[in-house]
Amino acid sequence: DSGVTQTPKHLITATGQRVTLRCSPRSGDLSVYWYQQSLDQGLQFLIQYYNGEERAKGNILERFSAQQFPDLHSELNLSSLELGDSALYFCASSSGPLQETQYFGPGTRLLVL
Amino acid sequence: AQKITQTQPGMFVQEKEAVTLDCTYDTSDPSYGLFWYKQPSSGEMIFLIYQGSYDQQNATEGRYSLNFQKARKSANLVISASQLGDSAMYFCAMRPSGNTGKLIFGQGTTLQVKP
Repeated sequence: DSGVTQTPKHLITATGQRVTLRCSPRSGDLSVYWYQQSLDQGLQFLIQYYNGEERAKGNILERFSAQQFPDLHSELNLSSLELGDSALYFCASSSGPLQETQYFGPGTRLLVL
Repeated sequence: AQKITQTQPGMFVQEKEAVTLDCTYDTSDPSYGLFWYKQPSSGEMIFLIYQGSYDQQNATEGRYSLNFQKARKSANLVISASQLGDSAMYFCAMRPSGNTGKLIFGQGTTLQVKP
């Protein structure tokens, strides 16, 4: 158990819908990262937050947004869902913004029908 | 472009033998970090080992060691005394230098340990 929690574990929804994925980092970690794992794209970095502020953006679609709250938990919002958004979404956390090891949560498996 | 390449899509190893999973990377950054993660069939990503670009010695963590050859830009994972529970997908990742800790992942290698 990495100490990173993600909810829900599984999510099935329809095209055009909006979902919210939630992540709680390890105790004491200030950085949260979101990654998407799909069969065609592999593991891709989406976005990083550090202590409530956006730190870096990767290949995140405009239909996707995220935030980190004062209690350091983070939410990833996916809207206008398409079939191709079906993937495993990971949250990871680390103590600092740069050099530290990232520990991953169990992931949220999203299926868009 | 910064990139991680894992050329072995799948590998087999006999239980109790050692196995090497290959990883090469491409970066012009002077400072970077290299990681290996394990993803069992259950889906979670488990951190295994880390090597910094300036580390003089190869990293080791229990049965895992990282064979770091900086001039060749390779960071191969060596698993000694393979166990059935080592059957999983293994990902090599690089953290470039810069203002973020984002990781760039390779495509992964599936390892199957035979009894």
